[in-house]
Amino acid sequence: AQSVAQPEDQVNVAEGNPLTVKCTYSVSGNPYLFWYVQYPNRGLQFLLKYITGDNLVKGSYGFEAEFNKSQTSFHLKKPSALVSDSALYFCAVSPRLLRSNDYKLSFGAGTTVTVRA
Amino acid sequence: KAGVTQTPRYLIKTRGQQVTLSCSPISGHRSVSWYQQTPGQGLQFLFEYFSETQRNKGNFPGRFSGRQFSNSRSEMNVSTLELGDSALYLCASRRGDDNYEQYFGPGTRLTVT
Repeated sequence: AQSVAQPEDQVNVAEGNPLTVKCTYSVSGNPYLFWYVQYPNRGLQFLLKYITGDNLVKGSYGFEAEFNKSQTSFHLKKPSALVSDSALYFCAVSPRLLRSNDYKLSFGAGTTVTVRA
Repeated sequence: KAGVTQTPRYLIKTRGQQVTLSCSPISGHRSVSWYQQTPGQGLQFLFEYFSETQRNKGNFPGRFSGRQFSNSRSEMNVSTLELGDSALYLCASRRGDDNYEQYFGPGTRLTVT
């Protein structure tokens, strides 16, 4: 079984400060990892993914995430947060596809990020 | 390229009724997945369709069903609605098995009274 934990329900930062949203995962074998963001009354927007290769992944809107296999973590980071980054962030994991019907994203509970001006 | 579209955006039904939600994936995408989002349970996977075949299913009762058409459009049906079915239903598409990120639609907000 696969699962994702986002240990913080809320993260509050001042604009211009670094932002980190934490995520740890559990999955059989090597994972596919994703970050999504959701704005009020909207669907989820894809931010970035880790499939293989470089452990530091760069994504949309200045976000990046670091895959750490030994700590089973995939924390989302942004060096300088903006007020417009205030939203709900989800980490998701899927097992590496051995069969075509293995694909199933499991999401964390989400972290609400508030960036104050 | 147009994104994933879902209709209707909002829906109010009463207990015992049934409902059908529609999803049009991004052009060229062959996989459509459905998710239920509630404050208590978060985002939960319902099922995935690929080339008109259901390939994977989450832990939901048989009242939840779906189908996919030859043009990759998908519908989800919930029969005998219960109050607990009130949720945001999200549809997501991806190109195929060579591509792992999903793109989500805006969702259908279903309220059961």
